[in-house]
Amino acid sequence: KNEVEQSPQNLTAQEGEFITINCSYSVGISALHWLQQHPGGGIVSLFMLSSGKKKHGRLIATINIQEKHSSLHITASHPRDSAVYICAVREGNTPLVFGKGTRLSVIA
Amino acid sequence: KAGVTQTPRYLIKTRGQQVTLSCSPISGHRSVSWYQQTPGQGLQFLFEYFSETQRNKGNFPGRFSGRQFSNSRSEMNVSTLELGDSALYLCASSPLGQSNGEQYFGPGTRLTVT
Repeated sequence: KNEVEQSPQNLTAQEGEFITINCSYSVGISALHWLQQHPGGGIVSLFMLSSGKKKHGRLIATINIQEKHSSLHITASHPRDSAVYICAVREGNTPLVFGKGTRLSVIA
Repeated sequence: KAGVTQTPRYLIKTRGQQVTLSCSPISGHRSVSWYQQTPGQGLQFLFEYFSETQRNKGNFPGRFSGRQFSNSRSEMNVSTLELGDSALYLCASSPLGQSNGEQYFGPGTRLTVT
């Protein structure tokens, strides 16, 4: 079974800072997801990627398949980015395996 | 298009009771997956249904069961509730299944077992 590790567990940043959240996994995967969960509980899918890099607004996700590592970057962070960010991986047709999440607080 | 809806949003039950949670996927989506989220274990996969058939099941006891109807709506049932079943239960839908693209999550049902 894949083991998914995220770092850091908690992160506090000042508004405007560049933020990086890391995700490592133990076994080769077919896809990696980055999810965002706000305090109310609802989860939004940010990215699904299997190679390279994707960008959406101020968010950038990268993946290095050889090193079994992905990063989520937030540029020009804002208090509304405060949330829990969760990495999840999938091998073939097996179910998603989730990391424990990174709790981000952005202070104005 | 309406998003994924879950009912009820909050539920309080007593140990030993049973509970049924409901999930209505986005129109046209044939796959519904269920997840349990607790502070200690994080998000864990429960099961996935696709066109009324269970496609995958997570490592949970038989007290946890589910089904999917012909209109793709899904229900999950937990029998003989235990204190440890207190959690946020999330469902997610996708057009073709977990292994074929993004999933769209509902707001969750927060279950408290006393």
